[in-house]
Amino acid sequence: DTEVTQTPKHLVMGMTNKKSLKCEQHMGHRAMYWYKQKAKKPPELMFVYSYEKLSINESVPSRFSPECPNSSLLNLHLHALQPEDSALYLCASSQERSGGSRQPQHFGDGTRLSIL
Amino acid sequence: SQQGEEDPQALSIQEGENATMNCSYKTSINNLQWYRQNSGRGLVHLILIRSNEREKHSGRLRVTLDTSKKSSSLLITASRAADTASYFCATDFYQGGSEKLVFGKGTKLTVNP
Repeated sequence: DTEVTQTPKHLVMGMTNKKSLKCEQHMGHRAMYWYKQKAKKPPELMFVYSYEKLSINESVPSRFSPECPNSSLLNLHLHALQPEDSALYLCASSQERSGGSRQPQHFGDGTRLSIL
Repeated sequence: SQQGEEDPQALSIQEGENATMNCSYKTSINNLQWYRQNSGRGLVHLILIRSNEREKHSGRLRVTLDTSKKSSSLLITASRAADTASYFCATDFYQGGSEKLVFGKGTKLTVNP
């Protein structure tokens, strides 16, 4: 079992639907991340939240809207997605730097999203 | 692109053999990390090596780093069928007050029983 929980595990939606992906961690991590991963490709960073504030947006289209309601939760709101947005969406969390040392990221198992 | 390149893209070996995967990157780094991803699952952190380190061990894993060649290698000794997975190297960068990881293209390892 992973320490980062993502729901739902699978999601099929039409291009006009609105849905949300959810991510939760209880490790006290203050940095949280959304990644998009296409088949047989590496994860690509979408957003980074640090202390519940958006710190990095990798020029992601506005049809993806992140939200960090508190230090344990991270949402990704989806609206008017395109078929090419079908992918595995991964959430991750990490501690902030400790004494200058980089901390590893802990990943959830992802939400597999299919856009019809 | 900051993205690293792993080679080989795919590797198939027999149980008990050693597996070596290589990663090259383009810019100066602070740290380099290796992650494993089982099919349909999230990534699992394996090992982190700092830019001032040359070699690091963790169980059956051995990672080397050559900053002059901008390359790293991951060696898995005495492989097991359970090691079958994709392996990614990742370099981290500081941007906008936060750190971000950029993953290499990955090596798909198959360990045959």
